Amino acid sequence: DVKVTQSSRYLVKRTGEKVFLECVQDMDHENMFWYRQDPGLGLRLIYFSYDVKMKEKGDIPEGYSVSREKKERFSLILESASTNQTSMYLCASSWTGEGNQPQHFGDGTRLSIL
Amino acid sequence: AQSVTQLGSHVSVSEGALVLLRCNYSSSVPPYLFWYVQYPNQGLQLLLKYTSAATLVKGINGFEAEFKKSETSFHLTKPSAHMSDAAEYFCAVSDNFGNEKLTFGTGTRLTIIP
Repeated sequence: DVKVTQSSRYLVKRTGEKVFLECVQDMDHENMFWYRQDPGLGLRLIYFSYDVKMKEKGDIPEGYSVSREKKERFSLILESASTNQTSMYLCASSWTGEGNQPQHFGDGTRLSIL
Repeated sequence: AQSVTQLGSHVSVSEGALVLLRCNYSSSVPPYLFWYVQYPNQGLQLLLKYTSAATLVKGINGFEAEFKKSETSFHLTKPSAHMSDAAEYFCAVSDNFGNEKLTFGTGTRLTIIP
């Protein structure tokens, strides 16, 4: 089974802090994704990466950056955390196909910014 | 751009009754479509996917979905609801631009009445 592991289930940080969320997958997937999930809004894509050191902006990249130095690891960085970034963050990974590859998700990190 | 609409943010059914969760898509080309389930405090788990091989797709836990091009729909059904089906369900459509991006609906929370 594919295993996508997010480093923290719950995280509390303060406004202005630099926050790192880590995600590791064990299936040698090319693609990795970061989403935030908010009630009534579903999942919104922040950034995705289709190869090491490659990244593309998703629908809501403002206030976030990402890093992918190794194939199995994809980090989400909140440069200066703000209260409106309080949310559930989900990481996912997938093979590269023809758009028909399912994404495999971690259990999420519930982040609170105080 | 592709999009999905899930009608009904909350659906309640009695145990043993039919489950019907609605999803309509908007796509300029034949899409790939997915249904995911999210149990409390967990990530998303793939229920089933449509990739044009067959219009009726069977998934895990007794769920199935039928692709209807004329109605641009991909509704999820289960003949008899179990208490364990209580969760949030997301419909998603592929990007169709050669990457593996998905666009998710806003989700439907399913409650099972004993």
